[in-house]
Amino acid sequence: AQRVTQPEKLLSVFKGAPVELKCNYSYSGSPELFWYVQYSRQRLQLLLRHISRESIKGFTADLNKGETSFHLKKPFAQEEDSAMYYCALSKRGGSNYKLTFGKGTLLTVNP
Amino acid sequence: NAGVTQTPKFQVLKTGQSMTLQCAQDMNHEYMSWYRQDPGMGLRLIHYSVGAGITDQGEVPNGYNVSRSTTEDFPLRLLSAAPSQTSVYFCASSPRAGGGGELFFGEGSRLTVL
Repeated sequence: AQRVTQPEKLLSVFKGAPVELKCNYSYSGSPELFWYVQYSRQRLQLLLRHISRESIKGFTADLNKGETSFHLKKPFAQEEDSAMYYCALSKRGGSNYKLTFGKGTLLTVNP
Repeated sequence: NAGVTQTPKFQVLKTGQSMTLQCAQDMNHEYMSWYRQDPGMGLRLIHYSVGAGITDQGEVPNGYNVSRSTTEDFPLRLLSAAPSQTSVYFCASSPRAGGGGELFFGEGSRLTVL
């Protein structure tokens, strides 16, 4: 069974500080990993996916297969980064497309 | 471009009542799904569909029914509402059913069962 663990329910940092949101997964095959974000009063939306190896809004995430982790990082947090962040996993190239989400981390960036 | 549209946005039900949450997408997406979002539980998959006429159960399907008669619509039916079904429900779609790709979410429907 696939599982996504986000160990921190809440994370609070000050503006300009580095931020790291942790995500660990368990999956027997080749996974695809994603980070989704939900800003206040907005729809849940894709932030980034590991396969693209991109940086979005200053955030990056590297898939570490040895540690089965996909932590989300940003060197200098901004107040507008305050949101709920969800790590998600799906089966890579499989016939069923079902995202499994973690329980989420609420990030608060204080001024 | 409306994307994924959910109705109603808010609903209050009494225990035992039935209702349907509507979901429509105008992007010609193959894949559609329903999630529920509960505090401390994240998002959990209720039912999903990989195309018209095809549906399957997700992680928490009990108490819910779905059908997919058209590509555009994927309604979620609560047959006999229970307080445990108080939640925020999200419909999502994706262009491909076969792995990868981005999920596009609706704005959510907040349901309270008294």
